[in-house]
Amino acid sequence: DGGITQSPKYLFRKEGQNVTLSCEQNLNHDAMYWYRQDPGQGLRLIYYSQIVNDFQKGDIAEGYSVSREKKESFPLTVTSAQKNPTAFYLCASSMWDSSSYEQYFGPGTRLTVT
Amino acid sequence: AQTVTQSQPEMSVQEAETVTLSCTYDTSENNYYLFWYKQPPSRQMILVIRQEAYKQQNATENRFSVNFQKAAKSFSLKISDSQLGDTAMYFCAFMTASNYGGSQGNLIFGKGTKLSVKP
Repeated sequence: DGGITQSPKYLFRKEGQNVTLSCEQNLNHDAMYWYRQDPGQGLRLIYYSQIVNDFQKGDIAEGYSVSREKKESFPLTVTSAQKNPTAFYLCASSMWDSSSYEQYFGPGTRLTVT
Repeated sequence: AQTVTQSQPEMSVQEAETVTLSCTYDTSENNYYLFWYKQPPSRQMILVIRQEAYKQQNATENRFSVNFQKAAKSFSLKISDSQLGDTAMYFCAFMTASNYGGSQGNLIFGKGTKLSVKP
């Protein structure tokens, strides 16, 4: 089955530690995205990548870092510089041409930092 | 900057009845896409329906339809014959289209409407 996987579903970390969230897709999509969701809020864009080895900051990139070494993978690192890291994180992917523009989402990772 | 506003934080509807969720947006762009996403308790984001701004005809997908009013910058979602499985958060989202078509990057989301379908 084609789709987007995120692991783990729940993640717990101590304050001051970096943590990396995994996102893999087998849809052959060019673009990948990371969003953050807080209670009572819509999703906000952290980073996105159109092609391998290239990515752009979204609206709330501070305290986060990403890499795109393979088309299928777009891991997100939440660094100790992120002031409020506890949130629900969603990864998405899409084509990056005129044929299709919908973003498809993974199941999400709930990160709790104490 | 583009913004998306959903003015109804919570709504409820009886099973089999019809409900309309409101969404307004603000943009100076002429070419864009609009979406409604559903997020059930599992928290999986599911695309419900999409609308291209250049199309005058309102999109429909089975029991889901939209009322797209471009001049008023309004994009409401109508759910007919509501089912218990429709209970979820519903998010309206906006995306600027690139000059050659396709996406211009990120989706901009409203804060959502929590819909409860009652038996």
